[in-house]
Amino acid sequence: QKEVEQDPGPLSVPEGAIVSLNCTYSNSAFQYFMWYRQYSRKGPELLMYTYSSGNKEDGRFTAQVDKSSKYISLFIRDSQPSDSATYLCAMGGNTGKLIFGQGTTLQVKP
Amino acid sequence: DTAVSQTPKYLVTQMGNDKSIKCEQNLGHDTMYWYKQDSKKFLKIMFSYNNKELIINETVPNRFSPKSPDKAHLNLHINSLELGDSAVYFCASSQDGPGFQYFGPGTRLTVT
Repeated sequence: QKEVEQDPGPLSVPEGAIVSLNCTYSNSAFQYFMWYRQYSRKGPELLMYTYSSGNKEDGRFTAQVDKSSKYISLFIRDSQPSDSATYLCAMGGNTGKLIFGQGTTLQVKP
Repeated sequence: DTAVSQTPKYLVTQMGNDKSIKCEQNLGHDTMYWYKQDSKKFLKIMFSYNNKELIINETVPNRFSPKSPDKAHLNLHINSLELGDSAVYFCASSQDGPGFQYFGPGTRLTVT
């Protein structure tokens, strides 16, 4: 079993839809949780960072962490075609390294 | 004023050759990383250096050897290239802990 599970999709939604992306993990030592966005043929860029359970909002993006269920989510409101990318969850503990999910490919159709 | 840069962007080479990929960051970060992203988009850490000292060395073949001449540079040398080494290699750097990593544009390596 992988430490971090993420459905690779692809996920296709119409413009304006609410998108929900999720990851589950098995290692209870993970302390911080991130979402990275990766456009085609580019490097990943950090989108959201959370350290504890709860919600964090930044514009149209909301990151949610539920440590008791070992489940994290990223919500995108009013999705735009420019949101079309691969979204990678990542998490880490005190080992100093990040473990990434496989990434979910999202396409937002105009 | 690119934050993390890598050269080359594309590398096509034959099995058995030796090649190097270079990475430079101008962010003043202390920690640099090498990642490998396979065709299924799995991004896996290979090495990490903090102030020129190796701190993470994942289970990778010893044909891969990182070198950090100074804290702004981290190079990756690969000996005796194999077909399975074909992937995109990303360099990254961070300062405030491993969570806040800045990635380079990647080097797409194709071994034929």
